[in-house]
Amino acid sequence: NAGVTQTPKFQVLKTGQSMTLQCAQDMNHEYMSWYRQDPGMGLRLIHYSVGAGITDQGEVPNGYNVSRSTTEDFPLRLLSAAPSQTSVYFCASSYSLAGSEDTQYFGPGTRLTVL
Amino acid sequence: KNEVEQSPQNLTAQEGEFITINCSYSVGISALHWLQQHPGGGIVSLFMLSSGKKKHGRLIATINIQEKHSSLHITASHPRDSAVYICAVRSMDSNYQLIWGAGTKLIIKP
Repeated sequence: NAGVTQTPKFQVLKTGQSMTLQCAQDMNHEYMSWYRQDPGMGLRLIHYSVGAGITDQGEVPNGYNVSRSTTEDFPLRLLSAAPSQTSVYFCASSYSLAGSEDTQYFGPGTRLTVL
Repeated sequence: KNEVEQSPQNLTAQEGEFITINCSYSVGISALHWLQQHPGGGIVSLFMLSSGKKKHGRLIATINIQEKHSSLHITASHPRDSAVYICAVRSMDSNYQLIWGAGTKLIIKP
């Protein structure tokens, strides 16, 4: 298993540009989520999905869109990049939210800089 | 007040020392997670607890549900244990979302 993969690893955007961060998992996990990590702060949830076709907003959803057309893929779209979106983005997945199946698997992260 | 508080924020110790990192939370939870973030940025799950104690190698995690407190212990610490250790709780009060602590940065000197 490749686990959770994210692309790209690094990205530089200009203000106003749009882009999609890719996330995929091959573990047949139902639950997937996107976080951003900023210096000195805990991980903050952007969007999450509890299964194909079902997504919901997290703590900091503004400026981001997601979709979940398949169990494997959960892309994060930046609609119009702003400097405040400079951050490290992590995708995570778990089989479910219950018991031992709640173990979190993280992708390697995408470091995004918006100029 | 943050719903998940970790202490200390930073910890520097000598190789071989016994390490304790604390996590306190203020919400009802179904589980508590400990994770490790390596200097390169990768995040790895260490433990998930809903009660009692778990042990894996030199790492031990305990939780006291009544006191809303968990500890992560590292015995015989080694420089390769240097990392950020993160506590997160699966909150029953927030639609079962994970609420994250800010992390504890641990440096083990040889």
